[in-house]
Amino acid sequence: QQQVKQSPQSLIVQKGGISIINCAYENTAFDYFPWYQQFPGKGPALLIAIRPDVSEKKEGRFTISFNKSAKQFSLHIMDSQPGDSATYFCAAIAGANNLFFGTGTRLTVIP
Amino acid sequence: EAGVTQSPTHLIKTRGQQVTLRCSPISGHTSVYWYQQALGLGLQFLLWYDEGEERNRGNFPPRFSGRQFPNYSSELNVNALELEDSALYLCASSLGDRAGQPQHFGDGTRLSIL
Repeated sequence: QQQVKQSPQSLIVQKGGISIINCAYENTAFDYFPWYQQFPGKGPALLIAIRPDVSEKKEGRFTISFNKSAKQFSLHIMDSQPGDSATYFCAAIAGANNLFFGTGTRLTVIP
Repeated sequence: EAGVTQSPTHLIKTRGQQVTLRCSPISGHTSVYWYQQALGLGLQFLLWYDEGEERNRGNFPPRFSGRQFPNYSSELNVNALELEDSALYLCASSLGDRAGQPQHFGDGTRLSIL
């Protein structure tokens, strides 16, 4: 059973465009929602994270939008660059515990 | 500050063999997590250790085991290797069993079973 559902599986965006990746969850005990970026041959790197008491968090070109009532959250990458081409994973955690990951989105930014 | 380090980076084994993977957490981190990233299957939680104790275990058979040492480094052992164990094994560390602590990952050990 997939605790965190992520879409789309792959995404192609023009340079300068906005990349949007969506995630949904069911477990209302989740209280911390990080996003990870993974390049080929590397481990996932923490990109940005949000807690459910906040509806939006922005760090540079990366923004998380969080809808607690809908149990959905999304990552927006503004002004997407070819260097952003990577696989992105959303995740969720309840308290002090292991992460539950989405299935990943492979983002390709075309120059 | 050094990140999470894992060794070896690559490993080739045959079915039925045993393997040990190693992980050194970020200095000051007491929790170590192991995840399996199989091709096309995303990241699946294996084991969580904190302060030398196993705190949680994912849905994997008992031939997957591990331990955490007093210096907080950790080993993952896999016995009786099967073809489907071929995957990238990732270790992550965090500040401990407190809620909302970010987990930081190493670059993993690529295990190939022939």
